Formats: sequence, C-alpha cells, structure tokens
Amino acid sequence: DAGVTQSPTHLIKTRGQQVTLRCSPKSGHDTVSWYQQALGQGPQFIFQYYEEEERQRGNFPDRFSGHQFPNYSSELNVNALLLGDSALYLCASSFPGQVGAGELFFGEGSRLTVL
Amino acid sequence: AQKITQTQPGMFVQEKEAVTLDCTYDTSDQSYGLFWYKQPSSGEMIFLIYQGSYDEQNATEGRYSLNFQKARKSANLVISASQLGDSAMYFCAMREGGPGSARQLTFGSGTQLTVLP
Repeated sequence: DAGVTQSPTHLIKTRGQQVTLRCSPKSGHDTVSWYQQALGQGPQFIFQYYEEEERQRGNFPDRFSGHQFPNYSSELNVNALLLGDSALYLCASSFPGQVGAGELFFGEGSRLTVL
Repeated sequence: AQKITQTQPGMFVQEKEAVTLDCTYDTSDQSYGLFWYKQPSSGEMIFLIYQGSYDEQNATEGRYSLNFQKARKSANLVISASQLGDSAMYFCAMREGGPGSARQLTFGSGTQLTVLP
C-alpha cells in the first residue's frame, strides 16, 4: 500500500519564478492538505482540498494556490517566489470519515530553495 | 497567544532511559485532539500517538505514552527505554474540533531529541 508520495523531492528556483509541487495521497484517501515547514520550525497549514475544492485555508497570500484532480492527487503552486518561500513543503492525506487518531498521513516533502 | 508551546528546543537522553517531552496547548474548544509526530532527517512526519479531549485514559502506543493533564492544558510525551533510532525532531500538534474533524493541525516548534549511547 503506497503511502503519500510527493515530487519533486528537491528543487532550486530563483526569486520571481513559479513552482509546482505534486502530491499523490495514500490509497483510499480523498482529502489533501499542504503544510509549509521553514527551517527549524513546525509545519504551518497552507490549505486543504476535498472534492476538488479548497475547503480551508491558512494565513498564506494568494501567491499560494492549489488544485485537486479527480483521482484525488493535488498540486501546490507558488508564484512570484520570494527568498522566504524556501522551506520543506509537506503534503498530508486523510479520509474525512476516519475517527480519532492517525488520520493524517504525511509524505516526505518537497524541499524548495529560492535563491 | 501560541496555540501549542514546546519549551524544550533540545533534549538529551541516555539509551535505555525514559524521557519526557513537554507540550502545552491553548484552546477554547471543548472537543479537540492532541497529536505527537516524529520527524527524522528524511523529513517525513511519522504519527506516534493521539489523545482526544474526552478520552479519560492517557493514550499509550508501545514505548510511547501521553501524559494528558487537561486542567493544566498539557500533553507531554513520554518515551520509555529510549533507543538510538529515537533521535529525531518531535512535534506536538493540536486539531480543534471533534474526531474526524477536517480542521487543520497546529504544530509546536518542536523538540530535537538526541539519544546518547
């Protein structure tokens, strides 16, 4: 049973460029959340997708956008990259009907460096 | 105010000994969940243990136990019989809302645990 897979694992961009990160959820999961983890900090929630729509959003600017496809996979897009966007981007998948613990499964993340 | 506070940036423990990682939280919700995750250098967040706000017993999962003190709003992680492979970053997180709630997790700043041989 494949877990959450993310691509690419590492990438380097320059300021002002755009980036797309991809996530395939764990089998059977239909909800995808994205988190940004800056170096030395805990992850911060960006947004969540369910049924191909953004259901919740954290405190991130509109430069951060996303998409969910009919197969539940998801993309995170960041436009006009800033140095401060350098971080590990984590994707987490879940199934809303689950009760209690362990309902979020994380991928290994995409490490973005902005120069 | 911080919703999740982890006051120990780094901790050291001798192999085979027990260690407690501190976590305090702040919420006005009556129903919430508390989580602990382990993050090795690979980056993946590995779920360790969960405590629901209405759970009367402290959660346990193998060598992990959660010392839940609701009145003090603390949810400390206890790792017994530490192993070298336990060396990692540990995050406490909270989900406001009941079990299965779609609400996001709020994470603390983490504690870097190093297990010494």
